[in-house]
Amino acid sequence: GENVEQHPSTLSVQEGDSAVIKCTYSDSASNYFPWYKQELGKRPQLIIDIRSNVGEKKDQRIAVTLNKTAKHFSLHITETQPEDSAVYFCAASEGGSFGNEKLTFGTGTRLTIIP
Amino acid sequence: ETGVTQSPTHLIKTRGQQVTLRCSSQSGHNTVSWYQQALGQGPQFIFQYYREEENGRGNFPPRFSGLQFPNYSSELNVNALELDDSALYLCASSLYGLAREQYFGPGTRLTVT
Repeated sequence: GENVEQHPSTLSVQEGDSAVIKCTYSDSASNYFPWYKQELGKRPQLIIDIRSNVGEKKDQRIAVTLNKTAKHFSLHITETQPEDSAVYFCAASEGGSFGNEKLTFGTGTRLTIIP
Repeated sequence: ETGVTQSPTHLIKTRGQQVTLRCSSQSGHNTVSWYQQALGQGPQFIFQYYREEENGRGNFPPRFSGLQFPNYSSELNVNALELDDSALYLCASSLYGLAREQYFGPGTRLTVT
């Protein structure tokens, strides 16, 4: 099955600086890669996603890049703000026999923005 | 906030008991996936329901079972509870199809003592 590795596990960034979180996946058939933000005691919130036919996607201060050859994808947050502090999870879908997506998640990155 | 709701919010059970968790999907969504999130970990896929049938299963034993109803809401049942079943149980709703976004509910925190 799919295996997703995520780095780093913790990340502290000065407010206003950029943060980058990286993930690798094992199943070359995976075709959908969402990112979720989870604040303490709350639900995972979908913040951005990318599909395998696209190399990069941007939404305001957040961008995701995908390298299918190397099987890795990254989340970039620019001009970080205190409200960006949370745990971020990457995920990859297995597709295949599924009509819908079984998501395999990484282990999470705890991002702390230092004011 | 998504339109996905779950009940109850918290639950405490004793080892060996059975539990039922409930999920109402977002309006317009026809697929529900269930995930288990242990403390400090990412969510792990349990199974998915579409058209009232199981549409894929993760690495969980048969004592984890589910249902989906005609209104697309869903239940997760766990029999013979074990201490390791203590976790946050999340459901996610989506539209059936390839590369569809999944939106999570707030979760049910299950504690097994």
